[in-house]
Amino acid sequence: DAKTTQPTSMDCAEGRAANLPCNHSTISGNEYVYWYRQIHSQGPQYIIHGLKNNETNEMASLIITEDRKSSTLILPHATLRDTAVYYCIVRVPNTGNQFYFGTGTSLTVIP
Amino acid sequence: GAVVSQHPSRVICKSGTSVKIECRSLDFQATTMFWYRQFPKQSLMLMATSNEGSKATYEQGVEKDKFLINHASLTLSTLTVTSAHPEDSSFYICSALGDPEAFFGQGTRLTVV
Repeated sequence: DAKTTQPTSMDCAEGRAANLPCNHSTISGNEYVYWYRQIHSQGPQYIIHGLKNNETNEMASLIITEDRKSSTLILPHATLRDTAVYYCIVRVPNTGNQFYFGTGTSLTVIP
Repeated sequence: GAVVSQHPSRVICKSGTSVKIECRSLDFQATTMFWYRQFPKQSLMLMATSNEGSKATYEQGVEKDKFLINHASLTLSTLTVTSAHPEDSSFYICSALGDPEAFFGQGTRLTVV
């Protein structure tokens, strides 16, 4: 029951910023935007989450538009190890609400 | 982040037998755990939500009698695939709900022959 839309695939040159967009036009006021990534044959890894303000951590930055209908995950200096499928998920935190995964974006970092 | 451990990482079983997969939250107590299934080149599909001390809640289309979930403690949930068939071959992933994110295990590759 995914409520997000992401491009199927993207390429990024090593060392450059990778900007991964996500559309969540039906997001509710109390839903957060979460990003996870999955490297081949592993479990998903949490990256970042946010409500309406831009967020940054050691892995990435999350930019959420003012109307909250879309967001962009930014990997500032992509490395080959960032090649993975990136999933954008909307969810209400601090509840038992599930994490539903959409199709995600397959990011390939090119040397 | 927190550590969630799944065991086994790979298992091969004969058709008609049952297989149990364990999911352990190693450094925090997880009241809620999730079980997912992932087929090749596809996304994760949520199978069920497991709550400690109560019955699991299954997603539509998931057979509860085939995929038995037990969450008897705050650190352990198990998924048993009963009477496995080749079409049950898949990558099974568990997740423990933290605050505010969920932490995922490394997955179990099940092959039914």
